[in-house]
Amino acid sequence: AQSVTQLGSHVSVSEGALVLLRCNYSSSVPPYLFWYVQYPNQGLQLLLKYTTGATLVKGINGFEAEFKKSETSFHLTKPSAHMSDAAEYFCAVRGGAAGNKLTFGGGTRVLVKP
Amino acid sequence: NAGVTQTPKFQVLKTGQSMTLQCAQDMNHEYMSWYRQDPGMGLRLIHYSVGAGITDQGEVPNGYNVSRSTTEDFPLRLLSAAPSQTSVYFCASRGTEGNSPLHFGNGTRLTVT
Repeated sequence: AQSVTQLGSHVSVSEGALVLLRCNYSSSVPPYLFWYVQYPNQGLQLLLKYTTGATLVKGINGFEAEFKKSETSFHLTKPSAHMSDAAEYFCAVRGGAAGNKLTFGGGTRVLVKP
Repeated sequence: NAGVTQTPKFQVLKTGQSMTLQCAQDMNHEYMSWYRQDPGMGLRLIHYSVGAGITDQGEVPNGYNVSRSTTEDFPLRLLSAAPSQTSVYFCASRGTEGNSPLHFGNGTRLTVT
């Protein structure tokens, strides 16, 4: 079965510092990849999605993700954290063994320190 | 520009009661799904539908029923609520293209006492 692993359930960064959230998936065939963000008491919003053939995908709010097929990874980064980036982030995968169902990682909660 | 609308936002049930969580989308999406979100467990798929009249089970279907009589609506029924069903429930829909993202509602927070 398709699985998605997000390393670290909590990440603390200083305002202005790099944000790096890790996501690895298990699939022999590159699936469809997504990052979502969830602010408190809200639903999930799409940050970005993988486009076939791209290695670097740009999303909203200054986030981007790098696709590395050899490492089966899709890590999310932002060069400079802002207080408004405090939220929970989910990596999600569709395709491969999971078929059309979207499988989510466990989520990473980001705390931004002033 | 409503997107995915879920009602109610909050609900408290007693053990054994039944209820229906409503979900409607206005984007003409064929695919709709229900997830539950629990601390430390991410989102888990309960049921999904690829079109009117077609439903299938997800990862955690027990205790829940769904039906899809129209493209727009996808209600989730709890037949006999249990404390283990205390959770936040999200409805989501998407288009049919391969990399179409899911569009989420704002969730229903359910407490079963």
